[in-house]
Parts: sequence; structure tokens; C-alpha cells
Amino acid sequence: AQRVTQPEKLLSVFKGAPVELKCNYSYSGSPELFWYVQYSRQRLQLLLRHISRESIKGFTADLNKGETSFHLKKPFAQEEDSAMYYCALRWGKLTFGTGTQLKVEL
Amino acid sequence: DAMVIQNPRYQVTQFGKPVTLSCSQTLNHNVMYWYQQKSSQAPKLLFHYYDKDFNNEADTPDNFQSRRPNTSFCFLDIRSPGLGDAAMYLCATLRPGTLSSYNEQFFGPGTRLTVL
Repeated sequence: AQRVTQPEKLLSVFKGAPVELKCNYSYSGSPELFWYVQYSRQRLQLLLRHISRESIKGFTADLNKGETSFHLKKPFAQEEDSAMYYCALRWGKLTFGTGTQLKVEL
Repeated sequence: DAMVIQNPRYQVTQFGKPVTLSCSQTLNHNVMYWYQQKSSQAPKLLFHYYDKDFNNEADTPDNFQSRRPNTSFCFLDIRSPGLGDAAMYLCATLRPGTLSSYNEQFFGPGTRLTVL
């Protein structure tokens, strides 16, 4: 069965510091990996997907098949990055991790 | 410009009293989903529709039913809510991929259900 693990419930960093939100998955095939973000009082929305290899709002994520990881990174955190971040895997249906609350402090 | 709308945003019901949550979309997408998200947990897929074809997840309790009378609307019916059904319920649609874009799920704001 497919599974997504986000080990950190809460990650607190200072503004300007690097950010890395961890995500590991278990699936034997080649799934699609995504990061979703939910800002305070807003709906869940797609941030980026591995297949597009793009940088969104300064965030990037590289799929590491050997380590079965899809960590989300940003070199310099900004206050507006504070939100809930969900890693998700799709093989047929979308399976979410439990999320990491990112708090960027001044 | 809300694309996936859920009403109400907050719903309170009594233990055992049937409740219906609503979702509508202005995107004309064929696929619609219902997720359940309990506190501090991941959103969990309950079922989805491809047009009128209903697809139930194997572990979705029988207490949860759904209706999709047309493309725009989808309802989640909880026949006899228990305390354990208190959660955020998320509706989503799927924009199909094209030659120039990937497919993407669009989520509604959710309905928070409280069971007294």
C-alpha cells in the first residue's frame, strides 16, 4: 500500500533561514509526488509536483527514488511561507501525509 | 471567483441525526472527490465520482453515502453520525491534463462537522 510520511508536525525557523520539510514515501512503482499548501483560513492548494521540476514561490523539491524522499526546500524563508504543508503521492488516488506546520518567525 | 464551493462551512449535528454536506463546482470537471480530515491527520479519500460513476474506497464506512445529481453538485450524506465522524470534510475536483498542462485537483474550503 502507498504511504507518505512527514516526520515533523511543526517546523519553526527564523526569517531568512533555509527551510527543509521532509517527506518520505513507500511505493514500489513510480508514483507522482506533490506538495500541497494550506495558508491560514484558506483552502488546500497545489504548490508543486515532481514531474514539472519547477520552483514555485522559491520552493523546490527533488524526487530521490533511492531514498524514496521528496523533501521541500527553500533557501531563505519568508514570513508569508508560514502555512501547513502536505506531501502527497498519487498512484490512482491521492494519498496525503499528515502535514508539517511551518512557522517563520521574525 | 470561487471554483469549488462547500456549504455550509460549519455544520453541527446531533449523534445519530442524518446530515448532508454540499459541494458545488463552476469548473465543469468530470471528477469529484470527498475527503475526510480528522484533527492532526491527513486528508483521507472517502469516494469519488467520474461523471456519474461512483467509486467507493474499500475502507469507507457504510454510514457514508454520496449523490451526484449533475456535474456541478455533489453531496455527502452521513446517515447516522457518530462522535468519531467529527472532522473537516473536503470536496475536490480534478482538472484533466492536456498537451500543455498537467491534471490538478482543486479543493473546496471544507465543511467542519461537529457531532454533539
